[in-house]
Amino acid sequence: DVKVTQSSRYLVKRTGEKVFLECVQDMDHENMFWYRQDPGLGLRLIYFSYDVKMKEKGDIPEGYSVSREKKERFSLILESASTNQTSMYLCASSPPSGLAGGSTDTQYFGPGTRLTVL
Amino acid sequence: GENVEQHPSTLSVQEGDSAVIKCTYSDSASNYFPWYKQELGKRPQLIIDIRSNVGEKKDQRIAVTLNKTAKHFSLHITETQPEDSAVYFCAASLGYSGGGADGLTFGKGTHLIIQP
Repeated sequence: DVKVTQSSRYLVKRTGEKVFLECVQDMDHENMFWYRQDPGLGLRLIYFSYDVKMKEKGDIPEGYSVSREKKERFSLILESASTNQTSMYLCASSPPSGLAGGSTDTQYFGPGTRLTVL
Repeated sequence: GENVEQHPSTLSVQEGDSAVIKCTYSDSASNYFPWYKQELGKRPQLIIDIRSNVGEKKDQRIAVTLNKTAKHFSLHITETQPEDSAVYFCAASLGYSGGGADGLTFGKGTHLIIQP
C-alpha cells in the first residue's frame, strides 16, 4: 500500500519566519509534487520533482522553494512566510514509468499540513 | 498553461438518483484525466481516471466519459448513496507522454450532497 506522510498536520508560524514542510514516501516513487488547497480554488501546483536534485516550477511557485536531496523526501520551503501563504499544503507522489499493473500517472496524496501564518 | 473548468460547484441529488459533474480543459495536448474524491478532513483519493485514447471507462457505479474534440470530460455516479457525499475534483495533465512527470491542473471542485 502506498504511503505518503507529511511531517505535521497543523503548523502555526509568524510572518517572516522560514518554514519547512516535509514529505516522505515509502514506495520508491520518482515523482513528487507540492500543491496548496484553498477553499473555492481547488488544488494548485507549486513545484514538482522527477528525480533527486531536480525540480520544476508549477503554476504558483512565487514565495516557495523546494529541496530533494533523497528520493523518498521532498521538502517545501517558505523562505519568509506571509499571511497569504496560510493554506492547506498537500504532497503527492507518483510511481516510476513502466511500473506494471498501475497507472504511472496516478498521484497519491499525503494527509496534508494546515499552515497558519500569523 | 492548462486551465480546467468544473461545474457545478455544488450538486444536491436524492439518494438513488444519478449525479453528473462536468469539466472542460484548454490544452489539447493533455492526455490524462483523473477524478479525485475528498471527504471532509481527509486527503484526495483517486476514484477513476481516463486517458485520451479511451472514450469511456466504468468502475461499478462510477463512469467517466471523455470527448477530446470538445475538450470536455464528465464523471457519472449512478445509484448514489450517502457515502458518496464529498467534494469531487477533476484534473488534467500531459501525463508521461509529455516526456516526464507532469503536475495536475485541477478544477475548483464540486460539493456533492446526497439527500436521504
